[in-house]
Amino acid sequence: SAVISQKPSRDICQRGTSLTIQCQVDSQVTMMFWYRQQPGQSLTLIATANQGSEATYESGFVIDKFPISRPNLTFSTLTVSNMSPEDSSIYLCSVGGGDRGPNEQFFGPGTRLTVL
Amino acid sequence: EDQVTQSPEALRLQEGESSSLNCSYTVSGLRGLFWYRQDPGKGPEFLFTLYSAGEEKEKERLKATLTKKESFLHITAPKPEDSATYLCAVTPRGAGNNRKLIWGLGTSLAVNP
Repeated sequence: SAVISQKPSRDICQRGTSLTIQCQVDSQVTMMFWYRQQPGQSLTLIATANQGSEATYESGFVIDKFPISRPNLTFSTLTVSNMSPEDSSIYLCSVGGGDRGPNEQFFGPGTRLTVL
Repeated sequence: EDQVTQSPEALRLQEGESSSLNCSYTVSGLRGLFWYRQDPGKGPEFLFTLYSAGEEKEKERLKATLTKKESFLHITAPKPEDSATYLCAVTPRGAGNNRKLIWGLGTSLAVNP
Protein backbone atom coordinates (compact mmCIF):
# COMPACT_ATOMS: atom_id res chain seq x y z
CA SER A 1 0.00 0.00 0.00
CA ALA A 2 1.04 3.64 -0.50
CA VAL A 3 3.18 5.47 2.05
CA ILE A 4 1.49 8.71 3.06
CA SER A 5 3.10 11.61 4.91
CA GLN A 6 1.57 14.77 6.30
CA LYS A 7 3.08 18.09 7.33
CA PRO A 8 2.94 19.50 9.92
CA SER A 9 2.33 16.68 12.37
CA ARG A 10 0.92 19.17 14.84
CA ASP A 11 0.49 22.90 15.28
CA ILE A 12 -0.91 25.44 17.69
CA CYS A 13 -2.48 28.44 15.99
CA GLN A 14 -4.15 31.67 16.94
CA ARG A 15 -7.79 32.42 16.24
CA GLY A 16 -8.34 34.10 12.87
CA THR A 17 -5.23 32.71 11.20
CA SER A 18 -4.98 30.01 8.53
CA LEU A 19 -2.98 26.79 8.34
CA THR A 20 -2.11 24.74 5.27
CA ILE A 21 -1.64 21.01 5.71
CA GLN A 22 0.30 19.02 3.14
CA CYS A 23 -0.25 15.42 2.14
CA GLN A 24 2.39 13.58 0.09
CA VAL A 25 2.02 10.06 -1.32
CA ASP A 26 4.91 7.94 -2.55
CA SER A 27 3.01 6.76 -5.63
CA GLN A 28 0.39 8.11 -7.97
CA VAL A 29 -3.15 7.66 -6.70
CA THR A 30 -6.47 8.53 -8.22
CA MET A 31 -8.49 9.26 -5.12
CA MET A 32 -7.39 11.47 -2.25
CA PHE A 33 -9.59 12.50 0.65
CA TRP A 34 -9.47 14.87 3.60
CA TYR A 35 -11.06 13.95 6.94
CA ARG A 36 -11.56 15.58 10.28
CA GLN A 37 -11.49 13.61 13.54
CA GLN A 38 -12.75 15.49 16.55
CA PRO A 39 -12.75 14.11 20.10
CA GLY A 40 -15.74 11.89 20.74
CA GLN A 41 -16.87 12.02 17.12
CA SER A 42 -16.49 9.67 14.20
CA LEU A 43 -14.25 10.46 11.26
CA THR A 44 -15.94 13.01 9.05
CA LEU A 45 -15.17 13.39 5.36
CA ILE A 46 -14.47 17.01 4.46
CA ALA A 47 -13.91 16.62 0.73
CA THR A 48 -12.53 14.57 -2.10
CA ALA A 49 -9.46 16.18 -3.68
CA ASN A 50 -9.72 15.94 -7.45
CA GLN A 51 -6.63 16.24 -9.59
CA GLY A 52 -6.94 19.09 -12.04
CA SER A 53 -10.37 20.25 -10.89
CA GLU A 54 -12.16 21.67 -7.89
CA ALA A 55 -12.56 19.50 -4.82
CA THR A 56 -15.91 17.87 -4.05
CA TYR A 57 -17.10 18.99 -0.62
CA GLU A 58 -19.40 17.14 1.74
CA SER A 59 -22.44 18.71 3.31
CA GLY A 60 -21.43 21.21 5.96
CA PHE A 61 -18.04 22.00 4.47
CA VAL A 62 -17.33 24.85 2.06
CA ILE A 63 -14.44 25.85 -0.13
CA ASP A 64 -13.99 29.25 1.50
CA LYS A 65 -13.31 27.63 4.85
CA PHE A 66 -11.38 24.56 3.62
CA PRO A 67 -9.74 25.32 0.27
CA ILE A 68 -8.04 22.27 -1.22
CA SER A 69 -5.42 21.95 -3.93
CA ARG A 70 -4.48 18.82 -5.87
CA PRO A 71 -1.83 19.81 -8.40
CA ASN A 72 -0.81 16.23 -9.28
CA LEU A 73 -1.49 12.59 -8.44
CA THR A 74 0.87 12.45 -5.45
CA PHE A 75 0.20 15.68 -3.55
CA SER A 76 -2.63 17.66 -1.99
CA THR A 77 -3.06 20.48 0.49
CA LEU A 78 -5.90 21.41 2.83
CA THR A 79 -6.10 24.91 4.25
CA VAL A 80 -8.11 25.63 7.37
CA SER A 81 -9.01 29.30 7.03
CA ASN A 82 -9.94 31.93 9.58
CA MET A 83 -9.60 29.41 12.36
CA SER A 84 -11.61 29.29 15.56
CA PRO A 85 -11.23 26.99 18.58
CA GLU A 86 -13.97 24.77 17.07
CA ASP A 87 -11.52 23.87 14.30
CA SER A 88 -9.26 22.15 16.80
CA SER A 89 -9.12 18.59 15.54
CA ILE A 90 -7.01 15.95 13.89
CA TYR A 91 -6.96 16.34 10.12
CA LEU A 92 -6.24 13.24 8.07
CA CYS A 93 -5.63 12.64 4.41
CA SER A 94 -6.33 9.29 2.87
CA VAL A 95 -5.95 7.63 -0.50
CA GLY A 96 -8.30 5.14 -2.01
CA GLY A 97 -8.21 2.30 -4.48
CA GLY A 98 -5.16 0.52 -5.76
CA ASP A 99 -4.20 -3.11 -5.74
CA ARG A 100 -6.00 -3.80 -2.47
CA GLY A 101 -9.35 -3.12 -4.04
CA PRO A 102 -11.47 -0.20 -5.18
CA ASN A 103 -12.86 0.76 -1.82
CA GLU A 104 -10.14 0.49 0.79
CA GLN A 105 -8.66 3.75 2.03
CA PHE A 106 -5.24 4.22 3.56
CA PHE A 107 -4.51 7.06 5.90
CA GLY A 108 -1.67 9.40 6.64
CA PRO A 109 -0.48 9.94 10.23
CA GLY A 110 -2.67 13.00 10.73
CA THR A 111 -2.13 16.65 11.70
CA ARG A 112 -3.16 17.62 15.22
CA LEU A 113 -4.38 21.21 15.19
CA THR A 114 -5.06 23.26 18.30
CA VAL A 115 -6.60 26.71 17.89
CA LEU A 116 -6.33 29.11 20.81
CA GLU B 1 -30.28 7.34 7.31
CA ASP B 2 -27.06 5.37 6.89
CA GLN B 3 -25.55 4.63 10.28
CA VAL B 4 -22.80 2.59 11.93
CA THR B 5 -22.88 1.74 15.64
CA GLN B 6 -20.01 0.09 17.48
CA SER B 7 -20.15 -1.62 20.85
CA PRO B 8 -18.89 -1.62 23.44
CA GLU B 9 -17.40 1.88 23.56
CA ALA B 10 -14.55 0.60 25.68
CA LEU B 11 -13.31 -2.85 26.60
CA ARG B 12 -10.65 -3.91 29.03
CA LEU B 13 -9.28 -7.46 28.78
CA GLN B 14 -6.62 -9.46 30.50
CA GLU B 15 -3.89 -10.83 28.26
CA GLY B 16 -5.15 -14.09 26.75
CA GLU B 17 -8.83 -13.30 27.39
CA SER B 18 -10.63 -13.63 24.06
CA SER B 19 -13.56 -11.37 23.19
CA SER B 20 -15.49 -9.79 20.32
CA LEU B 21 -16.22 -6.26 19.18
CA ASN B 22 -19.48 -5.48 17.41
CA CYS B 23 -20.28 -3.21 14.48
CA SER B 24 -23.93 -2.94 13.50
CA TYR B 25 -24.90 -1.02 10.41
CA THR B 26 -27.94 0.40 8.67
CA VAL B 27 -27.30 1.28 5.06
CA SER B 28 -29.22 1.26 1.80
CA GLY B 29 -27.31 -1.71 0.44
CA LEU B 30 -23.78 -2.62 1.49
CA ARG B 31 -20.88 -2.22 -0.87
CA GLY B 32 -18.23 -3.05 1.70
CA LEU B 33 -17.47 -3.06 5.43
CA PHE B 34 -14.04 -2.12 6.71
CA TRP B 35 -12.17 -2.58 9.97
CA TYR B 36 -9.34 -0.29 10.97
CA ARG B 37 -7.06 -0.06 13.96
CA GLN B 38 -6.00 3.33 15.31
CA ASP B 39 -3.22 3.89 17.79
CA PRO B 40 -3.04 7.16 19.75
CA GLY B 41 -1.58 9.97 17.67
CA LYS B 42 -1.69 7.98 14.44
CA GLY B 43 -3.96 7.61 11.44
CA PRO B 44 -6.23 4.58 11.08
CA GLU B 45 -4.49 1.42 9.87
CA PHE B 46 -6.44 -0.77 7.44
CA LEU B 47 -7.21 -4.29 8.68
CA PHE B 48 -9.98 -5.97 6.68
CA THR B 49 -12.62 -5.54 4.01
CA LEU B 50 -15.76 -7.69 3.99
CA TYR B 51 -18.18 -7.61 1.09
CA SER B 52 -20.92 -10.17 1.64
CA ALA B 53 -22.73 -11.96 4.46
CA GLY B 54 -20.90 -15.08 5.57
CA GLU B 55 -17.50 -13.77 4.61
CA GLU B 56 -14.63 -14.08 7.10
CA LYS B 57 -11.11 -12.65 7.13
CA GLU B 58 -8.24 -13.44 9.51
CA LYS B 59 -5.01 -11.77 10.43
CA GLU B 60 -2.92 -13.05 13.33
CA ARG B 61 -5.16 -12.90 16.43
CA LEU B 62 -7.97 -11.05 14.65
CA LYS B 63 -10.90 -12.51 12.74
CA ALA B 64 -13.64 -10.42 11.15
CA THR B 65 -17.04 -11.83 10.23
CA LEU B 66 -20.04 -10.31 8.47
CA THR B 67 -23.80 -10.85 8.57
CA LYS B 68 -26.53 -8.87 6.86
CA LYS B 69 -26.80 -6.49 9.80
CA GLU B 70 -23.52 -6.56 11.67
CA SER B 71 -19.88 -7.47 11.78
CA PHE B 72 -17.81 -8.89 14.57
CA LEU B 73 -14.12 -8.51 15.19
CA HIS B 74 -13.00 -11.48 17.23
CA ILE B 75 -9.77 -11.15 19.17
CA THR B 76 -8.27 -14.46 20.24
CA ALA B 77 -5.79 -14.55 23.12
CA PRO B 78 -5.04 -10.83 22.91
CA LYS B 79 -1.69 -9.31 23.85
CA PRO B 80 -1.00 -5.84 25.26
CA GLU B 81 0.14 -4.69 21.79
CA ASP B 82 -3.42 -5.25 20.57
CA SER B 83 -4.48 -2.27 22.67
CA ALA B 84 -5.88 0.36 20.31
CA THR B 85 -9.13 1.85 19.06
CA TYR B 86 -10.85 -0.36 16.49
CA LEU B 87 -12.94 1.48 13.93
CA CYS B 88 -15.63 0.11 11.65
CA ALA B 89 -16.79 1.81 8.44
CA VAL B 90 -19.15 0.95 5.62
CA THR B 91 -19.55 2.04 2.03
CA PRO B 92 -23.18 2.03 0.87
CA ARG B 93 -24.21 1.14 -2.65
CA GLY B 94 -25.39 3.81 -5.02
CA ALA B 95 -24.10 6.30 -7.53
CA GLY B 96 -21.53 8.63 -6.08
CA ASN B 97 -20.98 6.42 -3.04
CA ASN B 98 -18.18 4.31 -4.43
CA ARG B 99 -15.71 5.57 -1.88
CA LYS B 100 -17.79 7.35 0.73
CA LEU B 101 -17.16 5.77 4.12
CA ILE B 102 -19.58 6.02 7.03
CA TRP B 103 -17.72 5.55 10.29
CA GLY B 104 -18.58 4.28 13.72
CA LEU B 105 -17.20 5.88 16.87
CA GLY B 106 -14.91 2.98 17.57
CA THR B 107 -14.18 0.60 20.43
CA SER B 108 -11.27 1.45 22.67
CA LEU B 109 -9.55 -1.80 23.63
CA ALA B 110 -7.08 -2.09 26.50
CA VAL B 111 -5.30 -5.38 27.11
CA ASN B 112 -3.62 -5.70 30.47
CA PRO B 113 -0.50 -7.88 30.87
